Amino acid sequence: GENVEQHPSTLSVQEGDSAVIKCTYSDSASNYFPWYKQELGKRPQLIIDIRSNVGEKKDQRIAVTLNKTAKHFSLHITETQPEDSAVYFCAATPGMIKAAGNKLTFGGGTRVLVKP
Amino acid sequence: DTGVSQNPRHKITKRGQNVTFRCDPISEHNRLYWYRQTLGQGPEFLTYFQNEAQLEKSRLLSDRFSAERPKGSFSTLEIQRTEQGDSAMYLCASSLARGLSNYGYTFGSGTRLTVV
Repeated sequence: GENVEQHPSTLSVQEGDSAVIKCTYSDSASNYFPWYKQELGKRPQLIIDIRSNVGEKKDQRIAVTLNKTAKHFSLHITETQPEDSAVYFCAATPGMIKAAGNKLTFGGGTRVLVKP
Repeated sequence: DTGVSQNPRHKITKRGQNVTFRCDPISEHNRLYWYRQTLGQGPEFLTYFQNEAQLEKSRLLSDRFSAERPKGSFSTLEIQRTEQGDSAMYLCASSLARGLSNYGYTFGSGTRLTVV
């Protein structure tokens, strides 16, 4: 099955700096890669996703890049703000409907702290 | 419809007792997933339903765990003879699978189980 590794496990940045989180995956069949933000005691919320036919996607201060050959994808947050402090999870799944059911396999998470 | 709803939010139980959690997905979503999340880790897949059919179960789902989705709407997750190792956040997610795509993967706020 799929295995997703995420680094770093913690990341401390100064407000206004950029933050980068990297994930690798093992299953070459995976072609959908969402990123979730989870604040303490709250549900994981989708912040951005990318499909394998695209190499990069951007939404305001957040961008995701995907390298299918190397099987890794990254989350980039620019101009970080204190409200960006949370735990971020990457995930991977085969995007097609099949027996795998599109279940998401998650990385271990990155705790991001943005210092004012 | 405001999203995926889970009840209860918190459950404290004594070891050996049975517990049941409920998940109400987004109404038009035909897929429903259960995940378990322990502190500091990413969510781990337990099982999923397409309408009322349970199509996949993780090896994490021991014989003490059972899930149902009798009418293809809400789902219940029961844990029998609870153990301290069952203490975790149990997350439900739903999505709309149509054709070769899977849309709107949305998580509920979870049920936090503490076994004492």
